[in-house]
Amino acid sequence: DVELLESGGGLVQPGASLRLSCAASGFKFSDSAMTWVRQAPGRGLEWVSVIGGSGVNTFYAESVKGRFTISRDNSNSTLFLQMNTLRAEDTAIYYCVKGLNTAGDYWGQGTLVTVSS
Amino acid sequence: DIQMTQSPSTLSASVGDRVTIACRASESIATWLAWYQQKSGVAPKLLIYKGSTLQSGVPPRFSGSGSGTEFTLTITSLQPDDFATYYCQQYNSYPLSFGGGTKVE
Repeated sequence: DVELLESGGGLVQPGASLRLSCAASGFKFSDSAMTWVRQAPGRGLEWVSVIGGSGVNTFYAESVKGRFTISRDNSNSTLFLQMNTLRAEDTAIYYCVKGLNTAGDYWGQGTLVTVSS
Repeated sequence: DIQMTQSPSTLSASVGDRVTIACRASESIATWLAWYQQKSGVAPKLLIYKGSTLQSGVPPRFSGSGSGTEFTLTITSLQPDDFATYYCQQYNSYPLSFGGGTKVE
């Protein structure tokens, strides 16, 4: 069975950095594009970033471009999101998603990031 | 960037009702549109992709239609399990984008 387990969330101060991880299992990780989607408390869904299976191709939302970096370790089936210069508006649940909008679409349970002084 | 607009933002309905949710794209996205259902405190669940393709395991009372800039999600007979928030999402071009959501209550 597919499993996506996010970790690394927590409470940080504005300007700080945080690295999220998503441990994947149950499928051939290197064959799947992987996506981060976030949801601020009480708000809608926001697409954050995507990375292709090989790790070469990446895309970002304008709101995080230049501050966040998506990467992957295919040998350990792990997806990462390095978040720098965090702002209060980055406070959200961050979901790791396999195969967004495809028949293989699968979401993790999410990890909460809170940016507050 | 493509903006996605859903209407209404909130919809009051009863069990057995036919429910329709609209989604409009700021430019043509062909049929590169997905619909998600989200219940409180849980990750979203894919209902429909490519505009009208039902995800495996999703009941046939859900259907999607439209192309270009105008799309619709229809629930033919609302069931108790369907009270949730629904989002459309375009994947025609990056950055991908979601609609603001429609809460069915």
